[in-house]
Amino acid sequence: GEDVEQSLFLSVREGDSSVINCTYTDSSSTYLYWYKQEPGAGLQLLTYIFSNMDMKQDQRLTVLLNKKDKHLSLRIADTQTGDSAIYFCAEPPPNAGNMLTFGGGTRLMVKP
Amino acid sequence: NAGVTQTPKFQVLKTGQSMTLQCAQDMNHNSMYWYRQDPGMGLRLIYYSASEGTTDKGEVPNGYNVSRLNKREFSLRLESAAPSQTSVYFCASSDRGDGYTFGSGTRLTVV
Repeated sequence: GEDVEQSLFLSVREGDSSVINCTYTDSSSTYLYWYKQEPGAGLQLLTYIFSNMDMKQDQRLTVLLNKKDKHLSLRIADTQTGDSAIYFCAEPPPNAGNMLTFGGGTRLMVKP
Repeated sequence: NAGVTQTPKFQVLKTGQSMTLQCAQDMNHNSMYWYRQDPGMGLRLIYYSASEGTTDKGEVPNGYNVSRLNKREFSLRLESAAPSQTSVYFCASSDRGDGYTFGSGTRLTVV
């Protein structure tokens, strides 16, 4: 099973906010990542957050990190149909060099 | 800047045939990876190479072999393809906590 956990599916209406949640395992992780996979494509790095930060904002994206609960979230404001994709969170496992452990992915469906 | 290039993009094999999936990166990354992605299973690590000259098994290595030909190239070989190996295969590379850069994937069907 996966150590990084995400819910499988989220459906929102266009213009609403989306919140995708992730729980991770390693409290010593230095970075935590969000990747986006559009249909038929590979994963692309969307954003990341340093573990010494609680929040990072980048245009419509807000990443929140709760280190006490090992909880990471990605909020997409004013969600558009082009945001429909699978979103993966990822953390570096301990003592594993450059490797990442990925969650199972959350499929975001945006309805017009 | 090409990033990570995978070939081929699509392939159909008959059971028992062999093939090699190619992957090359131009970012001078030390580490390279091969994943498979199946519906409802997320990404599963097949093999990885932490640095040139080393390879290690991941979560699902059975039925596969890899070669880290040089720093740029990391190939995945299926010696005797089985229908259970029908999947989408992704190569990725990484370095120094920068996260992964993924290729666009190879869609393999084994009939």
